[in-house]
Amino acid sequence: KAGVTQTPRYLIKTRGQQVTLSCSPISGHRSVSWYQQTPGQGLQFLFEYFSETQRNKGNFPGRFSGRQFSNSRSEMNVSTLELGDSALYLCASSLGQGREETQYFGPGTRLLVL
Amino acid sequence: AQSVAQPEDQVNVAEGNPLTVKCTYSVSGNPYLFWYVQYPNRGLQFLLKYITGDNLVKGSYGFEAEFNKSQTSFHLKKPSALVSDSALYFCATRGTGFQKLVFGTGTRLLVSP
Repeated sequence: KAGVTQTPRYLIKTRGQQVTLSCSPISGHRSVSWYQQTPGQGLQFLFEYFSETQRNKGNFPGRFSGRQFSNSRSEMNVSTLELGDSALYLCASSLGQGREETQYFGPGTRLLVL
Repeated sequence: AQSVAQPEDQVNVAEGNPLTVKCTYSVSGNPYLFWYVQYPNRGLQFLLKYITGDNLVKGSYGFEAEFNKSQTSFHLKKPSALVSDSALYFCATRGTGFQKLVFGTGTRLLVSP
């Protein structure tokens, strides 16, 4: 099976712009979660989507949003970018049926905000 | 709140020696515990998990982890370290809500030849 894919892999934006990141889960997986990784804050949960519905949300401002499509692909959007949004954004997929499941991560999108 | 702690920022070990990367947890209810590894400029790779049952969990690449309920620990171990094991290791547990993972701060493992 193909793994989780994320596009683009690298992105450079300037403050005030917006950005959209994409994640394609493993075939058959219906849950997609997003995480932000920074040197200062470590790995932080952004949100989780299951069957096109946001099922869980972390403590991030409303500038961070997402959606999931009927084929389980997910997008994450960040509006009005700030310097502090520079990070590695990781998505992970799983079946989404139980807490014992393993989440499988993509390679990440590295966002640099100038 | 569910949490895990990784007390060591870095662990240094010589190739061929056993390695241990420490993790302690604070969890209410059943502890679902995971170990992931991250190589430079890569995502997280799943190594192993504890759900229930045997306290010694075997995972990928020769890694194993020992679950200890009395010490609330879930240490990652490998009998003989390889230089290629040098990477960043994360312990994680389930947060509130279905699929949320709560991660430790990470431990950098450096294996010297």
